[in-house]
Parts: sequence; structure tokens; C-alpha cells
Amino acid sequence: GESVGLHLPTLSVQEGDNSIINCAYSNSASDYFIWYKQESGKGPQFIIDIRSNMDKRQGQRVTVLLNKTVKHLSLQIAATQPGDSAVYFCAENSFLSGGYNKLIFGAGTRLAVHP
Amino acid sequence: DVKVTQSSRYLVKRTGEKVFLECVQDMDHENMFWYRQDPGLGLRLIYFSYDVKMKEKGDIPEGYSVSREKKERFSLILESASTNQTSMYLCASSFLDTEAFFGQGTRLTVV
Repeated sequence: GESVGLHLPTLSVQEGDNSIINCAYSNSASDYFIWYKQESGKGPQFIIDIRSNMDKRQGQRVTVLLNKTVKHLSLQIAATQPGDSAVYFCAENSFLSGGYNKLIFGAGTRLAVHP
Repeated sequence: DVKVTQSSRYLVKRTGEKVFLECVQDMDHENMFWYRQDPGLGLRLIYFSYDVKMKEKGDIPEGYSVSREKKERFSLILESASTNQTSMYLCASSFLDTEAFFGQGTRLTVV
């Protein structure tokens, strides 16, 4: 099977609890941030994004918080469900001198939801 | 829905072979990316392209090249495959300054 989740920090939560996954980013000039979810055997899927002119954004059961002062991003999942079990990646959008951009990903956090 | 399609889910190649990984997107995105994913290392950018025939090196371009002859297609080439290139390869595409959409990945094993 897939080994993407091995050697990653793991957050274990009980079904129904809230989950908080944290991420530190590197470039203070990054102005756009994204959270992805990756299930075993699949490519990463977009969950939610936030731009640097905001400090909070809410989706369905998910909230992203951005603290630019300390370059920290968090993903909060309300009422965590077994289907939320996956590896979660944060990504920052870095603009380069040529006028184009690239996404830089964190190492990922594995979320394990227990019944 | 955006669709990013990688030509193979699983590939097994021999050391020294030339390997082509193909990626096609159907949303007219300017940007396309190739990442490799290894346990504990997250996604590392190999190459990206922001326009037809344009390419930029990512963080780990050694041993790879790319081709973008058409806007919808971005190919990753392993000129002479080596065992340390055994990995999961992920293609993605995006508009400028928006989220990237990923393909399902190609698990390449070099023996």
C-alpha cells in the first residue's frame, strides 16, 4: 500500500472531537495559502485557502487561521469524522522574480480519527 | 470539474531507461507542475511551467527534464532512470495565483 503517511507527525483524535493541524511557513512575502487533504492512493485535494489580507476563513466544518506575525497557519476541523483521516498539507504561494508563482508544501501531518 | 490526468498509475522501469510521465489538464491553466513525494519529505517541486514552451527548475531538477509543447500537456522525462528516482510523481495545474489541482499520481519503481 501507499507509504505517504509514514514518518509524519500524527494527530490522533476521537470521532466527534475538533482537530487542529498546525503549519509554519517560511516566506514572509507569501500572500496566498492553501490546505490540502491527501487520502491513501490519491493525489492531494484542495480543502480551503486564505489570502494574506485575511486572518480567518471558514468553510464547511473547516476553518483556516493565518497569523502573519509568526508565519503560522492552522486548519481546524469541527466534529471530526472517520472520513477525515488523511495526510494534510499546507502550501504557501511564493511569487518569483520572473512574475510567476510556485507552491511550496509543508511536510504534512497525518490525522488519525478513532471511533 | 477540473481534471488533471496522469497517463499511468503504476510504472516499473529498469535502471538506465528513458522514462516519460505524461500529464494532461482540461481547464486551460497557465501553470503546470511536477512534484515527487517521498515518505517524510512531503511534496518537492521538480519543474514547473507557466506557459507553453516555458519551464523553470524547481527544488530538485537534477536527473529530470520537462516538455510543454501544448498548453494542456506537461511531460516529465527521466533521461536515464536510477533507483533513487523510485517515488510517487504528482502533476498539478493552476491559474496564476490560485489553488493547484492534482492528478492521481504515478508510482514509479526503478529496478
